[in-house]
Amino acid sequence: AQSVAQPEDQVNVAEGNPLTVKCTYSVSGNPYLFWYVQYPNRGLQFLLKYITGDNLVKGSYGFEAEFNKSQTSFHLKKPSALVSDSALYFCAVRTNAGNNRKLIWGLGTSLAVNP
Amino acid sequence: GAVVSQHPSRVICKSGTSVKIECRSLDFQATTMFWYRQFPKQSLMLMATSNEGSKATYEQGVEKDKFLINHASLTLSTLTVTSAHPEDSSFYICSARGGGAFTDTQYFGPGTRLTVL
Repeated sequence: AQSVAQPEDQVNVAEGNPLTVKCTYSVSGNPYLFWYVQYPNRGLQFLLKYITGDNLVKGSYGFEAEFNKSQTSFHLKKPSALVSDSALYFCAVRTNAGNNRKLIWGLGTSLAVNP
Repeated sequence: GAVVSQHPSRVICKSGTSVKIECRSLDFQATTMFWYRQFPKQSLMLMATSNEGSKATYEQGVEKDKFLINHASLTLSTLTVTSAHPEDSSFYICSARGGGAFTDTQYFGPGTRLTVL
């Protein structure tokens, strides 16, 4: 069965420090991996995705993620966190087959960046 | 590009009434739209997937007669919560996926907060 795990409910980081939000996945076939961010009482905003090609993907707002096939991970990173990065982050995965290509979602990680 | 709007952003209704939520893709054609429900501090729960011109595919446990979905055009999908009850109170979010450059990614609307009294 396809699944996504975000092992940390909450991540706390000081402003200016690097941040990492973890995501691991389990799928059959080649994964399509996504990161979204949600601010309070808002919909989700697309940050970045991995489909194929370079394992390091750069996205919006200075975020990047690295696809690691052997570890089945797709961790989200940013070199220097901002207070405004504080939000809920979701990792999602799908394959390019069946099921209307719907996404399987992680439970989300709440990121708090402290001034 | 890839802007999705939702209307209304917030609705309060009495128990037993029906509520319609609209989801529009503003700058691309959405061949597929998804409707999600999100409870406080929880992940997204996919309710149904709709393809333009076809009947929606509902997830297990979602009542199709209660949550009516229509995807009549490539830019508009609607979710109607029929005979709403307090337990239907939630945050409803739509997303849209199109063709071409928009084929791989779901783009989300801002959500609709439904409160049933």
